Amino acid sequence: EDKVVQSPLSLVVHEGDTVTLNCSYEVTNFRSLLWYKQEKKAPTFLFMLTSSGIEKKSGRLSSILDKKELFSILNITATQTGDSAIYLCAVSNSGGSNYKLTFGKGTLLTVNP
Amino acid sequence: NAGVTQTPKFRILKIGQSMTLQCAQDMNHNYMYWYRQDPGMGLKLIYYSVGAGITDKGEVPNGYNVSRSTTEDFPLRLELAAPSQTSVYFCASSYPRTSGGLSSYNEQFFGPGTRLTVL
Repeated sequence: EDKVVQSPLSLVVHEGDTVTLNCSYEVTNFRSLLWYKQEKKAPTFLFMLTSSGIEKKSGRLSSILDKKELFSILNITATQTGDSAIYLCAVSNSGGSNYKLTFGKGTLLTVNP
Repeated sequence: NAGVTQTPKFRILKIGQSMTLQCAQDMNHNYMYWYRQDPGMGLKLIYYSVGAGITDKGEVPNGYNVSRSTTEDFPLRLELAAPSQTSVYFCASSYPRTSGGLSSYNEQFFGPGTRLTVL
């Protein structure tokens, strides 16, 4: 059974801080790892990572994957109150069910002014 | 495009009642999914479909049923509502990306969710 563990489960920081969110996984025949941001409503897609060591970057957010150590990190620099959200990590495998995602429990990030 | 739409947004049911959560997408996606999200528990897959007429169970299918008669619609049915089904339900869709003749996974697009309370 595929497994995704995120840490920390919650985090409170001040505006301007830099945060690192962690995601470790156990999956048979790993295909990809995805990060989502969830505010009040539906999760919205941030990144999809398939190769080790290649950083994906979007503004102040960046993510990298380590397929040897089976983890990914999501970095947010110069945090803003609008970054407050639940950040979800998910993995897919390349087996017969390669179109399914297994989600972690998420990290609740609160950015205070 | 409207993307993925869900109705209703909120619903309160009594124990034993039945209801159908509607989900539709206008992106011509083959794959559709139903998740439930409980506080602090991430997203759990209930059922999924890889195309019209094809459905399969996810991680937590008990107490639910689905059908997929068209590409656009993927309704979720609760037959005998129980308090344990109080949750937020999300529908999602995706399509496979093909590169070099091989299909690979593409990101899922989520609907706005339905908040269901069973009393």
